[in-house]
Amino acid sequence: QKEVEQNSGPLSVPEGAIASLNCTYSDRGSQSFFWYRQYSGKSPELIMSIYSNGDKEDGRFTAQLNKASQYVSLLIRDSQPSDSATYLCAVSQPGGGSNYKLTFGKGTLLTVNP
Amino acid sequence: GAVVSQHPSWVICKSGTSVKIECRSLDFQATTMFWYRQFPKQSLMLMATSNEGSKATYEQGVEKDKFLINHASLTLSTLTVTSAHPEDSSFYICSAPRGGGSSGANVLTFGAGSRLTVL
Repeated sequence: QKEVEQNSGPLSVPEGAIASLNCTYSDRGSQSFFWYRQYSGKSPELIMSIYSNGDKEDGRFTAQLNKASQYVSLLIRDSQPSDSATYLCAVSQPGGGSNYKLTFGKGTLLTVNP
Repeated sequence: GAVVSQHPSWVICKSGTSVKIECRSLDFQATTMFWYRQFPKQSLMLMATSNEGSKATYEQGVEKDKFLINHASLTLSTLTVTSAHPEDSSFYICSAPRGGGSSGANVLTFGAGSRLTVL
């Protein structure tokens, strides 16, 4: 059973602070990792993807991957109230071409307080 | 960018009726689409993989006779919830892989979702 674990939160941070979101996964064969943001009542939207160990930065977002520890994280710098949402960690297995599936964690609810 | 259109965005129906949800890839072709279901405060659970021109692949525990999937073209997949009951009330979301990730990996683009309420 492939599992993706996240702290459900809520995680509350003040505006301007760094929000740190964590995720662990059970399947060592996982190769692709994604962070999605989901606002209440809406579908997920992709924030970051990461495939190799180390850090990947995109604007205020930094994804970190450690395959040895089966751990992936998302840092949000200079958090804004508009970042308040549920953040979903998703892990995929290699399937070739477009035939791969994502396993989602339950998500961490982030609240950024003005 | 890649756009996946899903319709209807919300639907209310009586118990025992069937509901069809459409998922279209607007600016790219998708040989594969994925259907997810999300209950309140839960994560997305994959229901089935829709394959153009062939049968869908269902996840364990998902009734294929209740959740009918048709992927008749490279841009359209439909999910029909047959004989819907209140416990089928949920948020149904389709997605399609669109090339663009590194290492040859595809990235999923999600539709806006369809909220089904069965009375």
